[in-house]
Amino acid sequence: GENVEQHPSTLSVQEGDSAVIKCTYSDSASNYFPWYKQELGKRPQLIIDIRSNVGEKKDQRIAVTLNKTAKHFSLHITETQPEDSAVYFCAAQAPDSWGKLQFGAGTQVVVTP
Amino acid sequence: NAGVTQTPKFQVLKTGQSMTLQCAQDMNHEYMSWYRQDPGMGLRLIHYSVGAGITDQGEVPNGYNVSRSTTEDFPLRLLSAAPSQTSVYFCASSYSRTGVGNTIYFGEGSWLTVV
Repeated sequence: GENVEQHPSTLSVQEGDSAVIKCTYSDSASNYFPWYKQELGKRPQLIIDIRSNVGEKKDQRIAVTLNKTAKHFSLHITETQPEDSAVYFCAAQAPDSWGKLQFGAGTQVVVTP
Repeated sequence: NAGVTQTPKFQVLKTGQSMTLQCAQDMNHEYMSWYRQDPGMGLRLIHYSVGAGITDQGEVPNGYNVSRSTTEDFPLRLLSAAPSQTSVYFCASSYSRTGVGNTIYFGEGSWLTVV
């Protein structure tokens, strides 16, 4: 089955700096890669996703890149703000997985003013 | 439109007790699932369903049971609670079992402590 590894497990950045979280996946058939943000005590919420036919996708201050050959994808947050502090999860989904997502272990991002 | 609703939000159980976590969605989603979240381990799939009357095991199914008698409801039963089942449980749903890339919506979570 699919295995997703996520690094780093914690990330501390100064407000205004950029944050990068990296994930690798094992199943070359996976073709959908969402990113979820989870604030303390809240549910995970989708912030951005990318499909395998696209190499990069941007939405305001966040962007995701995908390298299918290397089987890794990354989340980039620019101009970080205190409200970006949260746990971020990457995930991967394969076509025959009946909607199942395999999640990474998560990255705790702390943005300090 | 309430989305995905889970109850209870908090529960303390004694070892050996049984209980049911309720999950309902009002979005007519075919796919529903249960995850547990433990520190440093992300979200792990317990059981899932691709439609009424159809369920299957995920990554960590032992000690849990599910059923799907209606499209809307997907309860998770703990048969004989153990301290290892102390966790946060999330129910989730998405529109189509056959579609890759359909957004998965999570419930608010249920915090379960087994003593």
